[in-house]
Amino acid sequence: DTGVSQNPRHKITKRGQNVTFRCDPISEHNRLYWYRQTLGQGPEFLTYFQNEAQLEKSRLLSDRFSAERPKGSFSTLEIQRTEQGDSAMYLCASSPAGRDGYGYTFGSGTRLTVV
Amino acid sequence: TQLLEQSPQFLSIQEGENLTVYCNSSSVFSSLQWYRQEPGEGPVLLVTVVTGGEVKKLKRLTFQFGDARKDSSLHITAAQPGDTGLYLCVPPSNSGYALNFGKGTSLLVTP
Repeated sequence: DTGVSQNPRHKITKRGQNVTFRCDPISEHNRLYWYRQTLGQGPEFLTYFQNEAQLEKSRLLSDRFSAERPKGSFSTLEIQRTEQGDSAMYLCASSPAGRDGYGYTFGSGTRLTVV
Repeated sequence: TQLLEQSPQFLSIQEGENLTVYCNSSSVFSSLQWYRQEPGEGPVLLVTVVTGGEVKKLKRLTFQFGDARKDSSLHITAAQPGDTGLYLCVPPSNSGYALNFGKGTSLLVTP
């Protein structure tokens, strides 16, 4: 296993377009998280999955954002009608069950630029 | 939310210098984690400190957890350009899953 994989690494899109990012977690990790990070800030929590169930969504996750983890393995994060304020690094992380807040492994992130 | 203040926010030093980064709080923590995030990459867990007074070493990096478990420090000896990155100290999750990251310390080590 090569760790948490995120694709694409970089995405440039025009304002108003939809974008989708993919995250492949470590295979034996049943917990998956999405974070967003803007310049000069630490990562901010967006949403959390345990297996295929989305158990928590931050208020940062507006109606234009949707995340799925259909089979409890990979996850996608879609942003509809992108805005310039969506420009950020989107980070995915996974962790094993039973380690609350511990043992996070992050991916390398997807850097989104909305022009 | 358990507030954790990290200082300094920015640090620019030359190769070979030593530095210390501090995390302080009025709250007692069961543990603290330190992450390093290199430019353009995701954070990587460096260490978890659990016991008050604990000292952990990772090559040139020394992590200390305060006796009262309210603070922690990271000391880097003879910094190298490869140490450049964002250093984040993070308390355990209150929610059981979401980690509450602060702004961290952005370190630049120049040759």
